[in-house]
Amino acid sequence: SAVISQKPSRDICQRGTSLTIQCQVDSQVTMMFWYRQQPGQSLTLIATANQGSEATYESGFVIDKFPISRPNLTFSTLTVSNMSPEDSSIYLCSVEVFWDRENIQYFGAGTRLSVL
Amino acid sequence: SQQGEEDPQALSIQEGENATMNCSYKTSINNLQWYRQNSGRGLVHLILIRSNEREKHSGRLRVTLDTSKKSSSLLITASRAADTASYFCATDVTGANNLFFGTGTRLTVIP
Repeated sequence: SAVISQKPSRDICQRGTSLTIQCQVDSQVTMMFWYRQQPGQSLTLIATANQGSEATYESGFVIDKFPISRPNLTFSTLTVSNMSPEDSSIYLCSVEVFWDRENIQYFGAGTRLSVL
Repeated sequence: SQQGEEDPQALSIQEGENATMNCSYKTSINNLQWYRQNSGRGLVHLILIRSNEREKHSGRLRVTLDTSKKSSSLLITASRAADTASYFCATDVTGANNLFFGTGTRLTVIP
């Protein structure tokens, strides 16, 4: 298993500012993921972050808006840049762990972001 | 989109009753997983069923998988108020590096 600490748990931000979300894992993992979950919706993958390489972004998400760092095997950050009210969502990080011959994901508690 | 579809979207039952939720998907999978989310918090992994398995049990949870119909069901028996949460299926799709999450079922268990 993996224990993930995600900070901040929530924030209220002004339009045009940026927020950096941190994700710390208690063990070394290769694959980390960042998701967005809009109110009442499912999870949408923003990007996959592997240590030592550039993050891979999904369609509709760009590095200028959501820059990601992955400096080591236990830590990653996601920045939501130049925020607008449409960015109000829950942002979740997860890690992939190999268990019983399969890959499963462990999630952080999420960051609830409100943009005014 | 490879996202799965779940039904019902919402389910309300009395404590002690069984809850069944269904997931349909579109592509070949390696496995299918079920996750639970309480009140907009992080997701918790519940159970995984491989593509060559048809049924799996874990405590009060029973999962079935029908790859010919590309569908799965999650049964929670003897429900408790603490089971109130949103439940998501997620598919590990052949050739992809990430999971694809379904639309979710919001379960409310009334004490």
